[in-house]
Amino acid sequence: DIQMTQSPSSLSASLGERVSLTCRASQDIGSSLNWLQQEPDGTIKRLIYATSSLDSGVPKRFSGSRSGSDYSLTISSLESEDFVDYHCLQYASSPYTFGGGTKLEIK
Amino acid sequence: QVQLQQSGAELARPGASVKLSCKASGYTFTSYWMQWVKQRPGQGLEWIGAIYPGDGDTRYTQKFKGKATLTADKSSSTAYMQLSSLASEDSAVYYCARVTTDYWGQGTTLTVSS
Repeated sequence: DIQMTQSPSSLSASLGERVSLTCRASQDIGSSLNWLQQEPDGTIKRLIYATSSLDSGVPKRFSGSRSGSDYSLTISSLESEDFVDYHCLQYASSPYTFGGGTKLEIK
Repeated sequence: QVQLQQSGAELARPGASVKLSCKASGYTFTSYWMQWVKQRPGQGLEWIGAIYPGDGDTRYTQKFKGKATLTADKSSSTAYMQLSSLASEDSAVYYCARVTTDYWGQGTTLTVSS
């Protein structure tokens, strides 16, 4: 199975700050990675698909990129509603696998 | 609009089985794989498996083989996940979602307790 190592597991940041979250894949997954956002009530929403494509309605401060086996979600300027949980998911091969998640907290 | 409506919270006894449902609407149910995901309190997301309602083909993570059974009813556009031999570690929120992850259910909370 492909392992996805997500870092950091938690991140404390300030409003307006630029942050990046990373998922490292244990095997080649090409561009088959999505980023998900989870609200405190459990609601899950996709932000980025296929590594770098922004979902409709998602603010442009969110972006996705890849460098080798490292996949990043960058938020260019944090707003209050961004302080929730984030997950990556690889779908290159079954079984699909998630990263461990990142909890973004306000400093 | 696409919706995935999951069944309500469940309380089950250790050793019992439970069947969770996920009713799809707003798209062609038989054309998209449906996945199931587990989340224990304070933990990350865990991929259980997926089913293709068009032909019933399934995929499972090894850990959940024998624990979870995925089925789908084309007539009602509903996906099901049966969990057997329940134990405390099965207490979690379970989500259904299209494998494209563009649409998610609201989650079903399962509590296993005597």
